[in-house]
Amino acid sequence: ELKVEQNPLFLSMQEGKNYTIYCNYSTTSDRLYWYRQDPGKSLESLFVLLSNGAVKQEGRLMASLDTKARLSTLHITAAVHDLSATYFCAGNNNAGNMLTFGGGTRLMVKP
Amino acid sequence: NAGVTQTPKFQVLKTGQSMTLQCAQDMNHEYMSWYRQDPGMGLRLIHYSVGAGITDQGEVPNGYNVSRSTTEDFPLRLLSAAPSQTSVYFCASSSWGQGRNQPQHFGDGTRLSIL
Repeated sequence: ELKVEQNPLFLSMQEGKNYTIYCNYSTTSDRLYWYRQDPGKSLESLFVLLSNGAVKQEGRLMASLDTKARLSTLHITAAVHDLSATYFCAGNNNAGNMLTFGGGTRLMVKP
Repeated sequence: NAGVTQTPKFQVLKTGQSMTLQCAQDMNHEYMSWYRQDPGMGLRLIHYSVGAGITDQGEVPNGYNVSRSTTEDFPLRLLSAAPSQTSVYFCASSSWGQGRNQPQHFGDGTRLSIL
């Protein structure tokens, strides 16, 4: 059974600072997803990571995947207030599209 | 540009009542799923479907039924509502087969309270 753990669960940071969110998973996962959720809103897809060593970047966010360590990271560069949200990682079990989500990281970026 | 549409957006029920949460997608996606999100937690899979006439259980299926008579629609039924089913429910869809590496698209959610 796939288990996904994120840390930290809560992150308060100043604008302009860098930080990394970690996503560990317990067993083999074909794909690793990152989603963003604003309060009271739906989930928005950020990245899909398909293979070991995959790195994807969009603006101030960069995601990477290390399948050997069963670890994905979401790195935030020079944070801005608009990045305040909850970020989820999710892995799929090998039966198909069933996703197992981590508990989420609530990010607050202070001016 | 509808994507995944969920209705209703909010609902309050009394314990023991039944109701159906509706989900429709217009992207011709084979895969559809229902999740629940509880405060401070990630999403947990309730049921999923890989095509019309095919459904299966996820992590937390008890108390819920689903059916898939068309590609577009995937309703979730609460048979006898219990306070433990108070949650936010999300429907999602995605491609299947060769397209299954694409991310799942989520609806806006249904906020359900059981009194």
